[in-house]
Amino acid sequence: DAKTTQPPSMDCAEGRAANLPCNHSTISGNEYVYWYRQIHSQGPQYIIHGLKNNETNEMASLIITEDRKSSTLILPHATLRDTAVYYCIVRVASTNFGNEKLTFGTGTRL
Amino acid sequence: DTAVSQTPKYLVTQMGNDKSIKCEQNLGHDTMYWYKQDSKKFLKIMFSYNNKELIINETVPNRFSPKSPDKAHLNLHINSLELGDSAVYFCASSEAPPGWKSHSGANVLTFGAGSRLTVL
Repeated sequence: DAKTTQPPSMDCAEGRAANLPCNHSTISGNEYVYWYRQIHSQGPQYIIHGLKNNETNEMASLIITEDRKSSTLILPHATLRDTAVYYCIVRVASTNFGNEKLTFGTGTRL
Repeated sequence: DTAVSQTPKYLVTQMGNDKSIKCEQNLGHDTMYWYKQDSKKFLKIMFSYNNKELIINETVPNRFSPKSPDKAHLNLHINSLELGDSAVYFCASSEAPPGWKSHSGANVLTFGAGSRLTVL
């Protein structure tokens, strides 16, 4: 079962920042927050991930609250090409045993 | 180009037929996956292989049989196709098994473009 909740859809004006929220109130200490997006008719694409610090890369920024129960993906200057379904996922990425099943929820359609 | 490639992209077939979808990755990853995305757009894991060994097998009918001849290939064979098998099937790969730490630290999944299967 997905461990995250996201709004089903959001709108954003082109050129403005898109802020996509995600709640993960049951996140464990060793679970990371990952964001993927799926553009229509394509496979999901990795965007960014983080544990507790804010992260930034060429695609986006990830802001994680201090209690780690929620996060926000920020696309600084959204364009039409950013139209996609955005998935927020929590997963372990720090062990060398077990086989966690990476589960995608319903995501947010931007 | 380095990528996860799957063939065919589209597959239309009759109920009861047997069909295969092939997947290859040239990223040097150890782990490969098959995901199914149904008409409601839910993306569900079906199988995962690490170095040719099955490590995840979700509740999937045994009409579905994955085969990994080497760690760069993971094929999906489906027997006796049913209407409910119509979906988009995505192949993916990652450096290490899910939940493990990879050399790059991120252990992200790289997905193929998908194979849309339509059963008539």
